[in-house]
Amino acid sequence: GQNIDQPTEMTATEGAIVQINCTYQTSGFNGLFWYQQHAGEAPTFLSYNVLDGLEEKGRFSSFLSRSKGYSYLLLKELQMKDSASYLCAVRAILTGGGNKLTFGTGTQLKVEL
Amino acid sequence: DTEVTQTPKHLVMGMTNKKSLKCEQHMGHRAMYWYKQKAKKPPELMFVYSYEKLSINESVPSRFSPECPNSSLLNLHLHALQPEDSALYLCASSPDSRREQYFGPGTRLTVT
Repeated sequence: GQNIDQPTEMTATEGAIVQINCTYQTSGFNGLFWYQQHAGEAPTFLSYNVLDGLEEKGRFSSFLSRSKGYSYLLLKELQMKDSASYLCAVRAILTGGGNKLTFGTGTQLKVEL
Repeated sequence: DTEVTQTPKHLVMGMTNKKSLKCEQHMGHRAMYWYKQKAKKPPELMFVYSYEKLSINESVPSRFSPECPNSSLLNLHLHALQPEDSALYLCASSPDSRREQYFGPGTRLTVT
């Protein structure tokens, strides 16, 4: 089975930097994804890590340590529109073949003035 | 065309009705997915189609029946649903089953 943990809620100030952590336990690990979801909307793909290290994409960066079962999403220069739920999702290879993506419960980020 | 479309946006159906949800993408993606999302919960995988073949069924009740008529279309046929099946149904696609998934806007389903 899989276990994915993220903080439920975080609050940060506009213009600041925030780090959202995700820890996971899974067999057949094959990649970790971060998605952003605004209320009432579909998830939007942000970043992907399959190897250890940092991936940078504009204001968003994501880090992975496979040995520690740990990832974080770093958001810089926060804007009000960044207020959303951030979902950590782990992909695993199934014993019967195929890949399955399992989402964590999400971290609700509130950006304040 | 870089988006996944879903119809209808909203659907209200009785427990004896038969309805279908539709999903379409023209990005040449070869993997398509159905997810169910309840309020304040993460999306839960229901089905995966890879190269138009059903590759994963997450023990979904038979009142949900997926269909992939071609590489661009994915349907979800609904019959004899229960009120607890009310949720947001999300379709997603990816270039293949290993790559990032792109989600449609979803169909908000209410079963009365």
